[in-house]
Amino acid sequence: QKEVEQNSGPLSVPEGAIASLNCTYSDRGSQSFFWYRQYSGKSPELIMSIYSNGDKEDGRFTAQLNKASQYVSLLIRDSQPSDSATYLCAVNEGNTPLVFGKGTRLSVIA
Amino acid sequence: GAGVSQSPSNKVTEKGKDVELRCDPISGHTALYWYRQSLGQGLEFLIYFQGNSAPDKSGLPSDRFSAERTGGSVSTLTIQRTQQEDSAVYLCASSWRAGAAQETQYFGPGTRLLVL
Repeated sequence: QKEVEQNSGPLSVPEGAIASLNCTYSDRGSQSFFWYRQYSGKSPELIMSIYSNGDKEDGRFTAQLNKASQYVSLLIRDSQPSDSATYLCAVNEGNTPLVFGKGTRLSVIA
Repeated sequence: GAGVSQSPSNKVTEKGKDVELRCDPISGHTALYWYRQSLGQGLEFLIYFQGNSAPDKSGLPSDRFSAERTGGSVSTLTIQRTQQEDSAVYLCASSWRAGAAQETQYFGPGTRLLVL
């Protein structure tokens, strides 16, 4: 059973701090990794994708991938209350559709 | 349209009735997915279609659930004899191709189903 694991949270951080969200996956053959943000009552929206080891930065967001450790993370710098949402990790584990984690709920406290 | 669209946005039905939910994927996307999300829960995969191939139905929770995709585009998810536990948000997503490298799924706004 291919699995994507996330801490369900809630993860609470003060406004302006760095929020660190983590995700592990089971299939070493995984090729593509995605972070989706889901606000309460809304559908998931893609915020980051990463395909190779290392860091990828986009504005206040940085995705980090370590294939050897089967670990992908999302850092949110200068966290804002508007970042409060559930963050879903998704992994392309080869010739199958994306596998989603259950999400981590982030709360940014003003 | 530019994104995935779903209809209706909300549906209230009585236990035992059948419902149909519609999804219109992004133009050119060959893969289409249905998920269910109960309140406060993660995404539960239901079924996906890749082009004209037979769909992967491995996530359907019971034989009351079925889905069709006509002409490789619009899809309809049908729930027969609805039960109260079917109440959830039903999300549709599409991508260029299921399982392709760097595949990205884009979600529609969802249909909120309430079974009384």
